Amino acid sequence: ETGVTQTPRHLVMGMTNKKSLKCEQHLGHNAMYWYKQSAKKPLELMFVYNFKEQTENNSVPSRFSPECPNSSHLFLHLHTLQPEDSALYLCASSQDHTRYEQYFGPGTRLTVT
Amino acid sequence: AQKITQTQPGMFVQEKEAVTLDCTYDTSDQSYGLFWYKQPSSGEMIFLIYQGSYDEQNATEGRYSLNFQKARKSANLVISASQLGDSAMYFCAMREGHGSGTYKYIFGTGTRLKVLA
Repeated sequence: ETGVTQTPRHLVMGMTNKKSLKCEQHLGHNAMYWYKQSAKKPLELMFVYNFKEQTENNSVPSRFSPECPNSSHLFLHLHTLQPEDSALYLCASSQDHTRYEQYFGPGTRLTVT
Repeated sequence: AQKITQTQPGMFVQEKEAVTLDCTYDTSDQSYGLFWYKQPSSGEMIFLIYQGSYDEQNATEGRYSLNFQKARKSANLVISASQLGDSAMYFCAMREGHGSGTYKYIFGTGTRLKVLA
């Protein structure tokens, strides 16, 4: 596979569930990102990892827990979410966190019931 | 205050015509970058074009060009010879310094472009 992949593409979960989103990049990049895209709101940067180290946490609630075991993989662990957390979650990567463009995955459409 | 402003929530353009999507930004940094991304209905964000704050010439990538007016803090995207496949959401974004060598990416709310046959 090439580019940035995300699984699952769609996820429906209850507020008491625990689930994880997975992102994998096949571009040899060193920086990875999680974004939240809600309807009619700007894309919100959640977390940034550069060379597996977290460099950015934009005041994201602790019910979202990122994990970056290596430069190719990024996870977002979810637990006790709220209905307002329903959104499209996009993963992106770039050569490093100072490089120009980011390459995005197709996203995971999350619905919290 | 909004850092990135896209005032056109929706735009229509006739196939083969040119269209300009507006973007204004706000930053106190001297060094920053401006980007445009395209998001088709499939959801994937696709990088289109980049303009650095110190670049003297407007960026161009195929049918895309960025009309960079630094004094006005605007970075409008021009798509020439529109195609049906250009129908999508278009996001303007800015990378600015965040201190300690880190950077922050800020996105606008987007403009939905519809190309008419």
